[in-house]
Amino acid sequence: SQKIEQNSEALNIQEGKTATLTCNYTNYSPAYLQWYRQDPGRGPVFLLLIRENEKEKRKERLKVTFDTTLKQSLFHITASQPADSATYLCALVRGATNKLIFGTGTLLAVQP
Amino acid sequence: DAGITQSPRHKVTETGTPVTLRCHQTENHRYMYWYRQDPGHGLRLIHYSYGVKDTDKGEVSDGYSVSRSKTEDFLLTLESATSSQTSVYFCAISDGEIHEETQYFGPGTRLLVL
Repeated sequence: SQKIEQNSEALNIQEGKTATLTCNYTNYSPAYLQWYRQDPGRGPVFLLLIRENEKEKRKERLKVTFDTTLKQSLFHITASQPADSATYLCALVRGATNKLIFGTGTLLAVQP
Repeated sequence: DAGITQSPRHKVTETGTPVTLRCHQTENHRYMYWYRQDPGHGLRLIHYSYGVKDTDKGEVSDGYSVSRSKTEDFLLTLESATSSQTSVYFCAISDGEIHEETQYFGPGTRLLVL
């Protein structure tokens, strides 16, 4: 079955640096992959979607890459700020359905 | 939270009692989902609905039932609550094309089963 792996260890970085989070998956490549942000005590919020035929997607300070050969997506936040501190989840579709599989998320802590 | 409300937001109940959680949306989206989120497991799909009275099971559906009698409401029932159902429950909605959905999540319900 399809599985998603995100680094369970928290990522601590200094303000102004670039944060890079990793999402690895097994088995088949999904048609697309999504990234969400989740703050404590709140539901996840959609950030970006990248399709399998797209190598890279950008939105303001966010950048997502999708490497179907490595079966990996990287999520970058440039010029990070303490307000970027949150848990970031990646998600992909399960087969020919509209159901998403979520990773367990990586906690990002940006130190001022 | 994209026009999604969940009630109650917090609940403490005893083992063996039935519990119903409600999700209400004002977006007129077709799809609605119930997830549970637990440490080390991430978000796991319990049940989902693709229209009024149309529902299907997710990966962790045992012990749960759902109903959708109106587009805007999706109810999750724990028929006889157990301690293993202590969790945070999220409702989500979407209206996109298959394979390209963005899901919008509610604020969550924190359930404690004693």
